[in-house]
Amino acid sequence: EGQLVESGGGLVQPGGSLRLSCVASGITFTGYAMSWVRQAQGMGPQWVSSISARSSGIYYTDSVKGRFTISRDNFKDILYLQMNNLTVEDAAVYYCARLPRQSAAMSGWFAPWGQGTLVTVSS
Amino acid sequence: DIQMTQSPSSLSASVGDTVTIACQASQDISNHLNWYQQKPGKAPKLLIYDTFHLETGVPSRFSGRGSGTSFTFTISSLQPEDFATYFCQQYEDLPPTFGPGTKVDI
Repeated sequence: EGQLVESGGGLVQPGGSLRLSCVASGITFTGYAMSWVRQAQGMGPQWVSSISARSSGIYYTDSVKGRFTISRDNFKDILYLQMNNLTVEDAAVYYCARLPRQSAAMSGWFAPWGQGTLVTVSS
Repeated sequence: DIQMTQSPSSLSASVGDTVTIACQASQDISNHLNWYQQKPGKAPKLLIYDTFHLETGVPSRFSGRGSGTSFTFTISSLQPEDFATYFCQQYEDLPPTFGPGTKVDI
């Protein structure tokens, strides 16, 4: 069965950086837009960023614009999220998820999801 | 941003019960509404997309309806594995937004 597997989370001080990765295996990666969605403890999920199938369309939630960068490698089937200048408000489990079409502009539904990677921001 | 609300925030039910969860959008989202199930320590799982379409492999006891700003999600004949938290999500406009969730417990 296909899956998405995230890695790269961990403990970082405020102002620090992390790079998350999401490896797709057994599912079609190329040809679909991809997203990062985060979920703080006890809260509902929050969309963070999406990237179209060919990286031509990239979108971010307002709170991460200028600090986070989404990218993808369609040869290696890997999605990335570079997170800089992290704050305590960024602490959450970060999930990667696939969108149902090539374009990220109209979003859609998120399926499948990875298992998530925990980002903790604390001094 | 489009705000999503859900009611109730939690409910208690028994195996075999029928439960219904409401989801309200702050503006018209047409039928661009999805439902997810999340169990503790796990990622959300898509159950229903575009208001009423069942994701492949999802049992038919799950159903959804609605349009515009008002939507409902129903589980008929609740099973032990259905005790979880359920979220609605709109994608009418960026950013896609989720409701706060409804916890269904015993």
